[in-house]
Amino acid sequence: EPEVTQTPSHQVTQMGQEVILRCVPISNHLYFYWYRQILGQKVEFLVSFYNNEISEKSEIFDDQFSVERPDGSNFTLKIRSTKLEDSAMYFCASVTEWVWETQYFGPGTRLLVL
Amino acid sequence: AQSVTQPDIHITVSEGASLELRCNYSYGATPYLFWYVQSPGQGLQLLLKYFSGDTLVQGIKGFEAEFKRSQSSFNLRKPSVHWSDAAEYFCAVGALRNSGGSNYKLTFGKGTLLTVNP
Repeated sequence: EPEVTQTPSHQVTQMGQEVILRCVPISNHLYFYWYRQILGQKVEFLVSFYNNEISEKSEIFDDQFSVERPDGSNFTLKIRSTKLEDSAMYFCASVTEWVWETQYFGPGTRLLVL
Repeated sequence: AQSVTQPDIHITVSEGASLELRCNYSYGATPYLFWYVQSPGQGLQLLLKYFSGDTLVQGIKGFEAEFKRSQSSFNLRKPSVHWSDAAEYFCAVGALRNSGGSNYKLTFGKGTLLTVNP
């Protein structure tokens, strides 16, 4: 069964450093998402991406965040200057273009900012 | 804005016992409701979803959920729990973009951690 993959599974970084989280969505999917879950809190929507542009973003997704689909397979989330509060599990998800089809999630990247 | 409440942070049941996980939602329009499960080290896996029609929906792994509009609830049930069901369970409501299109975002509850005793 096709699956969403994410790398790395864990990343530790120093405050102020840039990090790039990578995702490979399912190949025939056209919508891509990033969600995050701070420890002990809810899974929160960050951003959705379609046709090479941001479709929707949350209040959390400020200028420190950016997303990109650099090639036909990868989807990345960049945090330019990490803060302590960016420590969280980041999930990538993808879905076909058909309405209310299932969003498939990757296993997540656990980011720790020191 | 939509929201989801899962009142139980942690539930422990014995193997073979029945299970009900509670979920209440707040949404101004017709809700599209989902249950996801997360096992350690795994991503979120869809158990079932409700869009319309029959208010009792069947999912994978023997789970079912019932949509009750009058109670704004979408509780997850399983008649007999297996040790492999130990995981964290998330209820979510889907919302389409106001500007249209088929893109929807999920709003999750905090999750319920299920422990299964042998």
